[in-house]
Amino acid sequence: AQSVTQPDIHITVSEGASLELRCNYSYGATPYLFWYVQSPGQGLQLLLKYFSGDTLVQGIKGFEAEFKRSQSSFNLRKPSVNWSDAAEYFCAVGSSNTGTASKLTFGTGTRLQVTL
Amino acid sequence: DAGVTQSPTHLIKTRGQQVTLRCSPKSGHDTVSWYQQALGQGPQFIFQYYEEEERQRGNFPDRFSGHQFPNYSSELNVNALLLGDSALYLCASSLFGGENSPLHFGNGTRLTVT
Repeated sequence: AQSVTQPDIHITVSEGASLELRCNYSYGATPYLFWYVQSPGQGLQLLLKYFSGDTLVQGIKGFEAEFKRSQSSFNLRKPSVNWSDAAEYFCAVGSSNTGTASKLTFGTGTRLQVTL
Repeated sequence: DAGVTQSPTHLIKTRGQQVTLRCSPKSGHDTVSWYQQALGQGPQFIFQYYEEEERQRGNFPDRFSGHQFPNYSSELNVNALLLGDSALYLCASSLFGGENSPLHFGNGTRLTVT
């Protein structure tokens, strides 16, 4: 069965500092990997996705993530955090076997707090 | 271009009652998936609908059922509500078989069971 671990429940960074959110997954084959962001009371917005190809993926809002098969990781990074980035971040893994990425397994999320 | 829309936004029900939640997919999408997000948790997959049939199902009891209409919109029904069913219910749409078609989520329906 596939699973996702986000080791950091809560992270606080200063505005302008760099950010790295960790994600480790468990999946038997090549996974589909995603990062979503959720603001309070809102749905999830897709930041970026990895299906295949280049292991460094660029997303919206200046985020990027790197797929490392040897470490089963898909960490999210941003060089300079804005106050507006404060939110809950979810990593998710989907099956590449079904040809569709509807059945996702999510991690428990990392809450990002940004201080001024 | 309208995204995924869900109704209602909030709902309060009593234990034992039944509830129906509604979802309209993003324009151009034909597949709808439903997720349950308990407070402080990540979303959990309930089921997926495509061509008006349930295609995949997560680890949820039969009290959870759904339907997809010819216009691709969908309903989630929950019978015999339990306190533990209180959660944010998220609908997501995508294009079936589209390898590069990730899920687009609505803002959810907050269900409170008292």
